[in-house]
Amino acid sequence: SQTIHQWPATLVQPVGSPLSLECTVEGTSNPNLYWYRQAAGRGLQLLFYSVGIGQISSEVPQNLSASRPQDRQFILSSKKLLLSDSGFYLCAWSGTPFNYGYTFGSGTRLTVV
Amino acid sequence: AQTVTQSQPEMSVQEAETVTLSCTYDTSESDYYLFWYKQPPSRQMILVIRQEAYKQQNATENRFSVNFQKAAKSFSLKISDSQLGDAAMYFCAYRSAFGIGYALNFGKGTSLLVTP
Repeated sequence: SQTIHQWPATLVQPVGSPLSLECTVEGTSNPNLYWYRQAAGRGLQLLFYSVGIGQISSEVPQNLSASRPQDRQFILSSKKLLLSDSGFYLCAWSGTPFNYGYTFGSGTRLTVV
Repeated sequence: AQTVTQSQPEMSVQEAETVTLSCTYDTSESDYYLFWYKQPPSRQMILVIRQEAYKQQNATENRFSVNFQKAAKSFSLKISDSQLGDAAMYFCAYRSAFGIGYALNFGKGTSLLVTP
């Protein structure tokens, strides 16, 4: 069966520090991968998605970047964190059939201080 | 991009009663998928139910059912025999059947409180 791992679960980082959040999927190949951010009291905002190794699409221009160095690995990064980067970050994957929706990781709560 | 609207920020229901959460969406596409996700306090996103736009029959999963009105672009979730464990944020989501990436567009969510 397919599983998705996301870490760390919680992170407190100072302003201006770098960020690296990692997500890996097991039990499937060539998944579509997604990074979402959920700010307090708001819905989920799509940040990046990837349909293959090295293929990254950005939905919202901002202080973050994403990379997919391997088929089942998706990384969210920042060179210098801002206070506004605080939030709950969720990784997700989808495959076929598309009507099955997404499977989400357990999320990372990021607090920038 | 398609817009998903959940007009009820908060809802409350008594245990064993029925509650309906509303969702409307805006699209010009004819083929798409709709979903309801549940996010309990653990913040894990859990798929509750899904609906294909080409299907006229409303989806049902145990105590959860939807009322899909394609012409009205409405996709409400009905929870029957509510349980304390149903307390959570509920998100409605839209997924196009076309285009690369097939990204999910979410509404802002409805917080459901279940009282004993």
